[in-house]
Amino acid sequence: GQNIDQPTEMTATEGAIVQINCTYQTSGFNGLFWYQQHAGEAPTFLSYNVLDGLEEKGRFSSFLSRSKGYSYLLLKELQMKDSASYLCAVMDSNYQLIWGAGTKLIIKP
Amino acid sequence: IAGITQAPTSQILAAGRRMTLRCTQDMRHNAMYWYRQDLGLGLRLIHYSNTAGTTGKGEVPDGYSVSRANTDDFPLTLASAVPSQTSVYFCASSDSREPTDTQYFGPGTRLTVL
Repeated sequence: GQNIDQPTEMTATEGAIVQINCTYQTSGFNGLFWYQQHAGEAPTFLSYNVLDGLEEKGRFSSFLSRSKGYSYLLLKELQMKDSASYLCAVMDSNYQLIWGAGTKLIIKP
Repeated sequence: IAGITQAPTSQILAAGRRMTLRCTQDMRHNAMYWYRQDLGLGLRLIHYSNTAGTTGKGEVPDGYSVSRANTDDFPLTLASAVPSQTSVYFCASSDSREPTDTQYFGPGTRLTVL
């Protein structure tokens, strides 16, 4: 079966750095996505990785290792507004997105 | 303003009633999707459409139907609602001609079936 695993919840301090991990087992691979979802709102696109390595976009970076079935989202200089759920999703061989359950990130002052 | 709209924002429905959730996008995206999101679970695909006139079943299609008469609209119908269909429903769209085929989401419909 297809599976995406990510921690249920993480806590971090304002101004610090946090890494959210995602491991996956899917039938085929056509890219990995990270989305941010604030409570009661829609998911919004953060990043896309299809090749191994690190993609940096401002305070957010995303890393992919296809051989290990592993990705992480790195958030630097955390702000209170970063409190949200972060969703990992993999596009499989049928070009369907398989979603993880999401990681709820709590930022403390 | 470009984007995806969904209606209604929320709805309380009696079991056995028929309900249509509306979704409209103005980005001229060819592909559209319906997901449900339940606490502790990832987004689950209900139905999708790769282009106007075609639809396909996702992971959890039972009890739901869709149509795609044109590019912009993708309504989701619950023929006879049951309490297990209580969920938050998100519509999304993407341009599969883009290399990343990124999906963009509507604001969601919170549905409660009693």
